[in-house]
Amino acid sequence: QQKVQQSPESLIVPEGAMTSLNCTFSDSASQYFAWYRQHSGKAPKALMSIFSNGEKEEGRFTIHLNKASLHFSLHIRDSQPSDSALYLCAANTGANTGKLTFGHGTILRVHP
Amino acid sequence: EAAVTQSPRNKVTVTGGNVTLSCRQTNSHNYMYWYRQDTGHGLRLIHYSYGAGNLQIGDVPDGYKATRTTQEDFFLLLELASPSQTSLYFCASSEAGEQYFGPGTRLTVL
Repeated sequence: QQKVQQSPESLIVPEGAMTSLNCTFSDSASQYFAWYRQHSGKAPKALMSIFSNGEKEEGRFTIHLNKASLHFSLHIRDSQPSDSALYLCAANTGANTGKLTFGHGTILRVHP
Repeated sequence: EAAVTQSPRNKVTVTGGNVTLSCRQTNSHNYMYWYRQDTGHGLRLIHYSYGAGNLQIGDVPDGYKATRTTQEDFFLLLELASPSQTSLYFCASSEAGEQYFGPGTRLTVL
């Protein structure tokens, strides 16, 4: 069974800082890796995803995947107070991209 | 217009009560999901479906039944609710890959 673990559990950074969130997974056959963001009182919403080793950048956000080390990460450049939220990583199980397993989440607070 | 809707948004019931949570999606997605979210546990998958009449067991299915009546509608049933089922429940839909979530139903079992 897929196990997904996130670190750290919570993080406080100053505005303008670089933020790095980490996720490890257990199923070496996983093919789809994603980060979701959930603002307080709202539903989770997909932020970024990646299928193959390497990195992908979208604006201030970069996702990095290393399948050999069973690790992927999210980096936020120039963190803003509006980035304060719960961040959830997720990975699929084997070849079934219809089923995702989520980590427990990292609570990020960006203070002005 | 919201593509995944849930009802009710809030529900209070007593131990042993029957509860049905409803979800409708207008994304024309094949997959639909029910999750529960508790502090410190992230999102845990209860049941999911990849089409009308199909049901797949998730990771925390005990005490829950689900039924997918149409491509659009997915229901979660708690036939003998217990206080441990007090939680925030999310429905989602996808075409595999990215999942789109509804606004959530907060259920309290007294």
